[in-house]
Amino acid sequence: GENVEQHPSTLSVQEGDSAVIKCTYSDSASNYFPWYKQELGKGPQLIIDIRSNVGEKKDQRIAVTLNKTAKHFSLHITETQPEDSAVYFCAASIDFQKLVFGTGTRLLVSP
Amino acid sequence: NAGVTQTPKFQVLKTGQSMTLQCAQDMNHEYMSWYRQDPGMGLRLIHYSVGAGITDQGEVPNGYNVSRSTTEDFPLRLLSAAPSQTSVYFCASRTTAGPKGNEQFFGPGTRLTVL
Repeated sequence: GENVEQHPSTLSVQEGDSAVIKCTYSDSASNYFPWYKQELGKGPQLIIDIRSNVGEKKDQRIAVTLNKTAKHFSLHITETQPEDSAVYFCAASIDFQKLVFGTGTRLLVSP
Repeated sequence: NAGVTQTPKFQVLKTGQSMTLQCAQDMNHEYMSWYRQDPGMGLRLIHYSVGAGITDQGEVPNGYNVSRSTTEDFPLRLLSAAPSQTSVYFCASRTTAGPKGNEQFFGPGTRLTVL
């Protein structure tokens, strides 16, 4: 079955810096790659997603890139703000339903 | 819309006890799922449903039962709780229609401790 690895497990940046979180997946049949933000005590919330027929997608300060050949995808956050501090999860799926998650990255943005 | 709601927020059980975690959504979503979240392991799929009357197993189904008698509700049952089931449980729903089609919406979670 699918296996998703996520790095780093923790990431500390200064406000205004960029943050990059990387994930690799094992199943070449996976075609949907969402990223979730989880704040303390809450459920995960989708922040951006990408499908396998697209190499890059942007939404304001957030972007995701996908390299199907290497089976890896990355989340890029520019101009980080303290409210970006949270745990971020990547996931992969072959059918939008059965998501396989990475182990999460705790992002801390210091003012 | 309330979105996805879960009850209770917290629960403590003794080994061998049974209980049902409730999940409801008011968005008329066809698909619903249950995940568990353990420290350092991300979220793992327990069971899911593609519509009323239809359920299937996910990655970690052992020890859990589900049923889906209505579109709105998807309860998760623990028949005989074990300490290994101590976790935070999240319910999620999605639809295939509209601009947010295929986005999974998660509830706030139920924190379960089994002693």
